[in-house]
Amino acid sequence: ETGVTQTPRHLVMGMTNKKSLKCEQHLGHNAMYWYKQSAKKPLELMFVYSLEERVENNSVPSRFSPECPNSSHLFLHLHTLQPEDSALYLCASSQDSGGSYEQYFGPGTRLTVT
Amino acid sequence: ILNVEQSPQSLHVQEGDSTNFTCSFPSSNFYALHWYRWETAKSPEALFVMTLNGDEKKKGRISATLNTKEGYSYLYIKGSQPEDSATYLCGESGTYKYIFGTGTRLKVLA
Repeated sequence: ETGVTQTPRHLVMGMTNKKSLKCEQHLGHNAMYWYKQSAKKPLELMFVYSLEERVENNSVPSRFSPECPNSSHLFLHLHTLQPEDSALYLCASSQDSGGSYEQYFGPGTRLTVT
Repeated sequence: ILNVEQSPQSLHVQEGDSTNFTCSFPSSNFYALHWYRWETAKSPEALFVMTLNGDEKKKGRISATLNTKEGYSYLYIKGSQPEDSATYLCGESGTYKYIFGTGTRLKVLA
């Protein structure tokens, strides 16, 4: 166990659905991240939150909407997704967002868009 | 930060063999280099974070070196065991930035 949990572990949704992914960290970290892992592609950083404020949004389409209500919880709200959005979505946390601390990853949510 | 490249993409070794992988990264504006081990159906697990040129770090049978001037890092596994089978990811980081390679998939045969 890494101290980072994600729910659900698997999700199948239609293109017109709205769903949310949840991430929770129990490590007292100040930074949280969303990553996308598509088949045969590198881990792709989507969003960075530092002390509950979004500090980076790597040109992610607006159909992905993150929310960080407190330093322990991170959500990724999904709506009108496309089949190419099917991927493994990983959440991570670290002591801060400066880049010099190791990240702790959750187990991921396997998303399939039909 | 541009691209991070890892080689080989995959390899099979026999139990007891020693092996190494390479991570190449842009050397300008370097900040930190990360190595992670990612076993199937589990979360990526941090191995090392390295920041200084010439850094060498070790954890059990696994060690890593860093050359920031030429932009590469090596990960070494001594006496590979079946439980070392995993994908090994490297990534370069900066403030609010993380760029990962596609990983090296290692299979250790008993």
